Amino acid sequence: SQKIEQNSEALNIQEGKTATLTCNYTNYSPAYLQWYRQDPGRGPVFLLLIRENEKEKRKERLKVTFDTTLKQSLFHITASQPADSATYLCALDMVASGTYKYIFGTGTRLKVLA
Amino acid sequence: EAGVAQSPRYKIIEKRQSVAFWCNPISGHATLYWYQQILGQGPKLLIQFQNNGVVDDSQLPKDRFSAERLKGVDSTLKIQPAKLEDSAVYLCASSAGLAGYNEQFFGPGTRLTVL
Repeated sequence: SQKIEQNSEALNIQEGKTATLTCNYTNYSPAYLQWYRQDPGRGPVFLLLIRENEKEKRKERLKVTFDTTLKQSLFHITASQPADSATYLCALDMVASGTYKYIFGTGTRLKVLA
Repeated sequence: EAGVAQSPRYKIIEKRQSVAFWCNPISGHATLYWYQQILGQGPKLLIQFQNNGVVDDSQLPKDRFSAERLKGVDSTLKIQPAKLEDSAVYLCASSAGLAGYNEQFFGPGTRLTVL
């Protein structure tokens, strides 16, 4: 079955630096991969989606890459700010019985230090 | 637009009791999901509806959990009887459709504590 690995340890970086979070999967490559942000006590919020035939996607200070050979997606936040501190979840689609559903990773907690 | 609404926000019960959660998705969203998120883990899909039909409930513990979406809008998730390991946040999400490119919109969740 598909397994998703995200760094379970928190990532601490200095304000202004680029944060890079990793999402590795073990089995088949998904057609779609999504990244979400989750703040304490709140539900996840969608950030970006990347398709299997896309290498890179950008949105403002966010960038996602998708390498189906390495079975990995990287999520970058450039010029990080303390307000970017949150848990970031990757989610991979899987098709089961003709319908899509998403499997979420455990998330990586990011802390941006002022 | 209004987001996904859930209630209650918090619930404390004793084991073997029953509990129900309510979700109102974004207007017009055909697909509704219930997730369980245990502390320190990612959301785990329990059940997925398309309109009022179930499209996936493979990870729903059907001996104690049930869910319905009678008119294809609101949904309720019930646990009866609750166990200690059911302590978690229950998240409801909705999306415009089933296709994998649809983003999911999550509600704030219901934090359940089973004593």
